[in-house]
Amino acid sequence: GAVVSQHPSWVICKSGTSVKIECRSLDFQATTMFWYRQFPKQSLMLMATSNEGSKATYEQGVEKDKFLINHASLTLSTLTVTSAHPEDSSFYICSATVFQGAGYGYTFGSGTRLTVV
Amino acid sequence: AQSVAQPEDQVNVAEGNPLTVKCTYSVSGNPYLFWYVQYPNRGLQFLLKYITGDNLVKGSYGFEAEFNKSQTSFHLKKPSALVSDSALYFCAVRDIGNSNTGKLIFGQGTTLQVKP
Repeated sequence: GAVVSQHPSWVICKSGTSVKIECRSLDFQATTMFWYRQFPKQSLMLMATSNEGSKATYEQGVEKDKFLINHASLTLSTLTVTSAHPEDSSFYICSATVFQGAGYGYTFGSGTRLTVV
Repeated sequence: AQSVAQPEDQVNVAEGNPLTVKCTYSVSGNPYLFWYVQYPNRGLQFLLKYITGDNLVKGSYGFEAEFNKSQTSFHLKKPSALVSDSALYFCAVRDIGNSNTGKLIFGQGTTLQVKP
């Protein structure tokens, strides 16, 4: 089935540095990728929707200059957390739309645990 | 606006007993409904979905869900719970809205605890 590979699984960075998270679709073309943020034992909060070759659409309240999303190819989308601070520590998950027989489905990356110290 | 509600933060059940995790939805038009499971520090795993057809949907790992249009519900069920089913469960609806972005709207999640 459709697989999204997300890397790294976890990362620790110093405050003020930038971190890049990659999501690759391994056996399909992901024209649309969604980026979520999740706090412990809470639901997924959609941050932005990225479409290949165009600018990402950010949800209200999400700083687009802080969370840079690039979707330059049909198999790769990246999220860069710029000038990270401890409050950016969270679990980040990507998801891609997949057409599955009777309709659309979604496949998720395994997530990235970001800790900013 | 589309929305999904999971009224229970946690469900506790004994191993071998049936389990139900509740979900209600509010959509305009026909809903596309999903259930996902999440284990600690992992992404979401697909369990099942309803788009059209039979109201009873069978999914992965012995789970099933019943679509009830009159009650706007899509409860997740399993006849006999396993300890390994203990995890965080999310109900979601595909947002078609005005932009047809296809993004998923998630419920707040329900922690299922199955005790031996």
